[in-house]
Amino acid sequence: GESVGLHLPTLSVQEGDNSIINCAYSNSASDYFIWYKQESGKGPQFIIDIRSNMDKRQGQRVTVLLNKTVKHLSLQIAATQPGDSAVYFCAENTLGSYIPTFGRGTSLIVHP
Amino acid sequence: KAGVTQTPRYLIKTRGQQVTLSCSPISGHRSVSWYQQTPGQGLQFLFEYFSETQRNKGNFPGRFSGRQFSNSRSEMNVSTLELGDSALYLCASSLSPASSEQFFGPGTRLTVL
Repeated sequence: GESVGLHLPTLSVQEGDNSIINCAYSNSASDYFIWYKQESGKGPQFIIDIRSNMDKRQGQRVTVLLNKTVKHLSLQIAATQPGDSAVYFCAENTLGSYIPTFGRGTSLIVHP
Repeated sequence: KAGVTQTPRYLIKTRGQQVTLSCSPISGHRSVSWYQQTPGQGLQFLFEYFSETQRNKGNFPGRFSGRQFSNSRSEMNVSTLELGDSALYLCASSLSPASSEQFFGPGTRLTVL
């Protein structure tokens, strides 16, 4: 089946820098995307979502960009903090499906 | 309010045995989904329950089954365990299947020897 994947398995940044985590998807029918954060020993935590009728959505220190032309979305974290260190992964879904497909994850390491 | 709770947190079984994992959703949430997370395959959808009915099922063998009770608590069962079933099993709850935001529990780490 079609899948969602991530470009970089590990991203190391300095505290205070901005981080960008990328995700490619291949299902052109996907119309709903979610970013999750998973800290060690914990379950995934919802960060932000975006529907396909949008190309940008902002949250608190996070921004998700969606480029449907190239089937790519990214998660931008502003002023990255050590507490942001975790695995981030994207998920795609088709509204009405309720069966999400998850990417493999990118490990974000923030150096103080 | 309390989050999603899963029991047990850790479990060690041997091949051929069966296991039952439990999930208590957030109070008021009626939809429960189960996922398997492994380093090799990532997060994979197992099944989803709402109002005691399985609404969706992922691509897993029949050894994987589940159920939901009237209080929305859910259990999943894996029979005839295989080494490859070693994984983190995550439960997520939401208000309803139509809710976009799922809340995940901490997971049950299953090790099959």
